[in-house]
Order: sequence, then structure tokens, then C-alpha cells
Amino acid sequence: EVQLVESGGGLVQPGGSLRLSCAVSGFTFSFYDMHWVRQRTGKGLEWVSTVDSAGDTYYPGSVKGRFTVSRENAKNSFYLQMASLRLEDTAVYYCARGRRWGDFDNGEHAFDVWGQGTVVTVSS
Amino acid sequence: SYELTQPPSVSVSPGQTASITCSGDKLGNKYACWYQQKPGQSPVLLIYQDRKRPSGIPERFSASTSGNTATLTISGTQALDEADYYCQVWDSNIAVFGGGTKLTVL
Repeated sequence: EVQLVESGGGLVQPGGSLRLSCAVSGFTFSFYDMHWVRQRTGKGLEWVSTVDSAGDTYYPGSVKGRFTVSRENAKNSFYLQMASLRLEDTAVYYCARGRRWGDFDNGEHAFDVWGQGTVVTVSS
Repeated sequence: SYELTQPPSVSVSPGQTASITCSGDKLGNKYACWYQQKPGQSPVLLIYQDRKRPSGIPERFSASTSGNTATLTISGTQALDEADYYCQVWDSNIAVFGGGTKLTVL
């Protein structure tokens, strides 16, 4: 069974840092792109970061320079290091597996399996 | 930055067909996905590559794309289909989600 389990969420002060982890099982982790997607309370889904199977990383402008995604294939895990956290980073953070057809640049991919989410609260 | 527009809400009677639209510039040139999210749950992939269903997704879910609009169609809508639905594409290596549509089955 394919499983993704997030951990590391919690309460952090503005300007602080937090590291999220996603442990996976049930598939060959190194073959897949992996993603982080967040959802503020009562709001829609927002993509946060991607580390592809080659280890290349991608970010939206809202987190670029503050968040760093990485993976550790030997541990079937990937991570989101969040720094300079802001109130607006408060959200449920989901990890998701990426299914891709072709090169990353052609945009033909989907988030095909999701974790249960971990809550990050940025508050003083 | 690229944007996808969805209606905030759609209502449908049980057994009827629901259609949820997603609009974006030259959307037909991209590969659209659709996700379902029920309250308190994680999203679930419903449609990928514009119109394909992952295994386990019922046949009553279908989708198409034409021009600037992608459409998710739910045939024979059931009460358990009440959920939020999101479209999503990739644009220049950036993943973009629509704002989501709340489907109410009356």
C-alpha cells in the first residue's frame, strides 16, 4: 500500500523556522517527483515546492528563498525546511507523490497520492 | 502569473449531471488535472492528462478541455460526491490550482 506520512508541524513564532518531513512507503521512492502543497483554513490548495526524481527543486515566488525542499532516497523521505516564517504560512501542509509523463518541463504531471497533512501555525 | 478560475459553488440534484468549469488562458495547451476534497480529508486525484481517470475512480467522473476551459462532469451525481473540486495545471514549472468549487448535492 502506498503511504505518505507527514510530521514536524507545530507552533512557531513569526520569523522562526520549522522542518517538515514526509516518510513514504509502498513504492520505489527514488523514481518519483515529490511535492508539498498547503491549504490555509477554509481556503484552496496552494503548491509550495517540488523536488523531482533528479533532485532538482522548484518553488513559487511566495516561498522562494525562504523554503528549501530536499530528499533522502536512502531513507524514503523528503523534507521541507521553512525559514523566516510569516503569519500567512499558517496552513495544513500536505506531501504528495508526483506522477509524470515525459520531461518535467512539459507540464504533464499530477499529484497522485497525498499524505494526511500536518498543521503549521505561525503565531506570536 | 498564470491563473485558473472556477465558480465558487455549483448545486445539483441527486441523479442529475453536474458540470464544474475551470478557465485559464490557453488552457487547452496544458494538461489539466482535477482533485476532489471532502471535509477533513486530503485531496484525491480524479482526473489527469485532461481526461484520464486513475484506477478506482468511478466512471461517472469525466472531463474534457476545449480552448480556454476545462470541464469536470459528474454523471448521476450521488450524495457522497458532495465535496470541493479543484482543477490544476503546470505553467512554466509552476503548479497552479483553481480556487476550488464547492459542489452541493441538494
